[in-house]
Amino acid sequence: DAKTTQPPSMDCAEGRAANLPCNHSTISGNEYVYWYRQIHSQGPQYIIHGLKNNETNEMASLIITEDRKSSTLILPHATLRDTAVYYCIVANFGNEKLTFGTGTRLTIIP
Amino acid sequence: GAGVSQSPRYKVAKRGQDVALRCDPISGHVSLFWYQQALGQGPEFLTYFQNEAQLDKSGLPSDRFFAERPEGSVSTLKIQRTQQEDSAVYLCASSEIGGRASETQYFGPGTRLLVL
Repeated sequence: DAKTTQPPSMDCAEGRAANLPCNHSTISGNEYVYWYRQIHSQGPQYIIHGLKNNETNEMASLIITEDRKSSTLILPHATLRDTAVYYCIVANFGNEKLTFGTGTRLTIIP
Repeated sequence: GAGVSQSPRYKVAKRGQDVALRCDPISGHVSLFWYQQALGQGPEFLTYFQNEAQLDKSGLPSDRFFAERPEGSVSTLKIQRTQQEDSAVYLCASSEIGGRASETQYFGPGTRLLVL
């Protein structure tokens, strides 16, 4: 699986949009971009995934660049409950073994 | 509906003791994964089952680690002769059917193992 690079930490004010970047410059054509998050003392939680088109669901939006070498996860109106470690993962299928990095620790500031 | 459950949630073991960690996946889920998460790190893959078949055990760190899923539902991760370096959170995840990009993994809350 392709390696991903994420900033170790970010802060965001409550109510603002949180934009979390991820670089995956070695992604191959059949690999998807997945985002999971892990709230303290819980297991990881799936957020969203995409191949090359932008995706949106009730939790977030995923913007993938045209060359697919990077992506951004957007939480449109961050709340304190969004404080978590966010993992960007590339994989062929979502149900195969996931290779987590160290993720981005997002802190929402009141 | 019920999610993935794991028991016990916390386990303290003396070095050299054997431990068994249980995972109850979401009913009907075909795939089951075990991950190990050291403090401050992301989860790392240990092993994968499709129904009762263990298809990948490449992540098991030593032959002291053994996993089974005899009836294709509940799984047990067993660690023999525990060492201090085995201290970690052990996460179980399940997914519905193998081999589709739309599949997501549903994680349990984990078992926190502390070896003294």
